Amino acid sequence: EDQVTQSPEALRLQEGESSSLNCSYTVSGLRGLFWYRQDPGKGPEFLFTLYSAGEEKEKERLKATLTKKESFLHITAPKPEDSATYLCAVRPGNTGKLIFGQGTTLQVKP
Amino acid sequence: AAGVIQSPRHLIKEKRETATLKCYPIPRHDTVYWYQQGPGQDPQFLISFYEKMQSDKGSIPDRFSAQQFSDYHSELNMSSLELGDSALYFCASSLKTLAKNIQYFGAGTRLSVL
Repeated sequence: EDQVTQSPEALRLQEGESSSLNCSYTVSGLRGLFWYRQDPGKGPEFLFTLYSAGEEKEKERLKATLTKKESFLHITAPKPEDSATYLCAVRPGNTGKLIFGQGTTLQVKP
Repeated sequence: AAGVIQSPRHLIKEKRETATLKCYPIPRHDTVYWYQQGPGQDPQFLISFYEKMQSDKGSIPDRFSAQQFSDYHSELNMSSLELGDSALYFCASSLKTLAKNIQYFGAGTRLSVL
């Protein structure tokens, strides 16, 4: 069964304190792993997509990496405006739908 | 840049009533997806359409139906509403012909069933 597990469920950081979010997955025929940011009451905002093990993508303070079993979202020197829920999703090979993890809610305190 | 437009943003209904949610995809996008997100939950895939044909079906109740029209907008019709249908409903769109096929989400419709 296709499944995505994110950890931790919640993360509280001080401004400038770097950390990583984990996304473990099992999927038949991965056709993409996606990271989204979601603010309360809003739609998921696309951040990155990764397709093969070893691939890395960067955007400002965020860096996403991918292995055959998991993905990490590294946050370097976070700011309070980075506070949000970060969702990981996979697209199985036989479908266009996304299967989401439960998300990691990040709070960055000044 | 134009984004996915959903209407209405908020909807309040009584049990057993019907509701219609609308989604206008990003211009030139040919695929629309519907997701349901309950309180504190991750988005769950309901159904998708490509070129006006249903392409995938997820955990969508039989009381719900959807379609995509010739202008690519989509509507999700929900009948015999139950309390458990209260959730955020997101629409996403993508351009299927692009290899990356990234889904871009709208702001959602918050449905409250009383």
